[in-house]
Order: sequence, then C-alpha cells, then structure tokens
Amino acid sequence: DAGVTQSPTHLIKTRGQQVTLRCSPKSGHDTVSWYQQALGQGPQFIFQYYEEEERQRGNFPDRFSGHQFPNYSSELNVNALLLGDSALYLCASSLAGSASYEQYFGPGTRLTVT
Amino acid sequence: AQSVTQLGSHVSVSEGALVLLRCNYSSSVPPYLFWYVQYPNQGLQLLLKYTTGATLVKGINGFEAEFKKSETSFHLTKPSAHMSDAAEYFCAVSDRSNGFQKLVFGTGTRLLVSP
Repeated sequence: DAGVTQSPTHLIKTRGQQVTLRCSPKSGHDTVSWYQQALGQGPQFIFQYYEEEERQRGNFPDRFSGHQFPNYSSELNVNALLLGDSALYLCASSLAGSASYEQYFGPGTRLTVT
Repeated sequence: AQSVTQLGSHVSVSEGALVLLRCNYSSSVPPYLFWYVQYPNQGLQLLLKYTTGATLVKGINGFEAEFKKSETSFHLTKPSAHMSDAAEYFCAVSDRSNGFQKLVFGTGTRLLVSP
C-alpha cells in the first residue's frame, strides 16, 4: 500500500518564476492538505482540498493556489516566487469524517528560490 | 485559535537516559493532540495521538505522552533513549471546523543523543 507520494523531490527556481508541486494521497484517502516548513520552523498550514474544492485556507497570499483532481491527487502552485518561499513543502492526506483524525505526510518537496 | 508551545529548541540526552520533550497547548475546544517525528530530509511520521479516552497514550518506538488538561500539557517521554531517536520532534494540536481539521504545529525540538 503506497503512502503519500510527492514530486519532485527537489526544485530550484528563480525569483518571479512559477512552480507546481504534486501530491498523490495514501490509498483510500480523499482529503489533501498542504503545509510549508521553513528551515528551523514547524510546518504551517497552507490549504486543504476535498471533493476538488478548497475547504480551508491558512494565512498565505493568493500567489499560493491549488487544485484537486477526481483521483484525489493534488497540485500546489506558487506564482511570482519570492526568496522567502524557499522551504520544504509537505503534503498530507486524510479521510474526511474519519474518527482517527490522522494526517499522513509525504516526504516533501524541497523548493529553493534563488 | 489553537496554538502549541514547545519548550526547548534542543534537548540533549545520553543513550539510555530518560527523554522528556515538553509541549503546552492552547485550545478553545477539547483538543486533539499529536506528536510527530521528522528525520533529516524526510517527512513527518506520527508517533502518537490523543483524541479522547485514556490520558496516557502509547506510541511507536517506546514513546508515550500524557494529556494533562489542568496543565494544558502533552509532554512526550521515553524511558531509555537510543541513538536512533535523534531527530526533530513536533507537537501539534488539531484545529477543527466544519468537519475538517488542520494541524497547528509547534516550532519543534531537536533531540540529540550522545553515546
């Protein structure tokens, strides 16, 4: 049973560029959440997708957008990259309505903006 | 709003010694609490969780945590540290609304284990 997978593993972009990160949830899960983890910090919630709609959003600008596909996979898009967007981006999947309240995390995508 | 405070950005112990990582939370509703571990260049792995019921929770790798409502704490302990326990540990509280939850994390504690 495959867990949460993310691609790519690492990415280097230049300021002002756009980036797309991808996530496939754990088998059986229908909800995907994205977190940003800056160096030396705890993960910060970006947004969450369920039934192809954004259900919750953290305190991130509109430059951060996402999408969820019918197969529950998800993309995170960041436009007009800033140096401060350099971070580890984590995807977490879960099952809506589950009593376990667990989120399963992928290995992350390390984004470096130069 | 929910929040988490982890006291001590670094904790150093000797192999075989007791591990104690501190976590205090703030929550306007009965909290769901989690401890995650992160090894270098990896994602987060769930160690244990508290939702309801027994306040002493046992997790993987010999870790356990006790939910103390009166102290708003959820400290993580392990009786005897192993070298393989060296990692970053994050405490998190669940922020639930409209049937969906997000996790609010602390800033993490790096556990260093010396021989």
